[in-house]
Amino acid sequence: AQTVTQSQPEMSVQEAETVTLSCTYDTSESDYYLFWYKQPPSRQMILVIRQEAYKQQNATENRFSVNFQKAAKSFSLKISDSQLGDAAMYFCAYRSASRISNFGNEKLTFGTGTRLTIIP
Amino acid sequence: DAGVIQSPRHEVTEMGQEVTLRCKPISGHDYLFWYRQTMMRGLELLIYFNNNVPIDDSGMPEDRFSAKMPNASFSTLKIQPSEPRDSAVYFCASSSVLKATYYGYTFGSGTRLTVV
Repeated sequence: AQTVTQSQPEMSVQEAETVTLSCTYDTSESDYYLFWYKQPPSRQMILVIRQEAYKQQNATENRFSVNFQKAAKSFSLKISDSQLGDAAMYFCAYRSASRISNFGNEKLTFGTGTRLTIIP
Repeated sequence: DAGVIQSPRHEVTEMGQEVTLRCKPISGHDYLFWYRQTMMRGLELLIYFNNNVPIDDSGMPEDRFSAKMPNASFSTLKIQPSEPRDSAVYFCASSSVLKATYYGYTFGSGTRLTVV
């Protein structure tokens, strides 16, 4: 079974600075997807960014980018120019992309989350 | 698109009572998931459906929990009888086989359940 580990329960960053959240995962599969979700105090789960394992290029969405190291099974999230609205819990998640079967591959496995605080 | 709609947003009930949580997935999505979030265990997948059929219910904690999806636009998660340890936020999420690849899943706003 796949596991996702977020080793930083809490992080803080000064407003306008850059912060990196860590995520590692364990899998024997070669084809999969990785996601970062944001959960603000409203508790809504919001997709921040996604990465396909077969792509070597790191995904980028505005101020959010990832550092995907497939061999090391590492998937960190970098937030540039941090803003007060970035304060939230951030969850890393894994989804298999296996095409052997149509079933059993659609579930997301989440890490335990990192609480990010933005210091004004 | 109204997104995934869950009701109620908050539920407070007494131990032993039956609780029913409701979910309306996004139209056209063929997968529906129920997750539970607690401080101790994080986000846990309880059960998921494909085309209204339960595919994996291995995460359902015990027989007190049951989930149904009578049609493509509605699902329920029922707890009977409820216990204080069931207190958590319950999320519903939906996806499609094609869209899940690019957009991940769309989550509802969750139901915060408190059992006293």
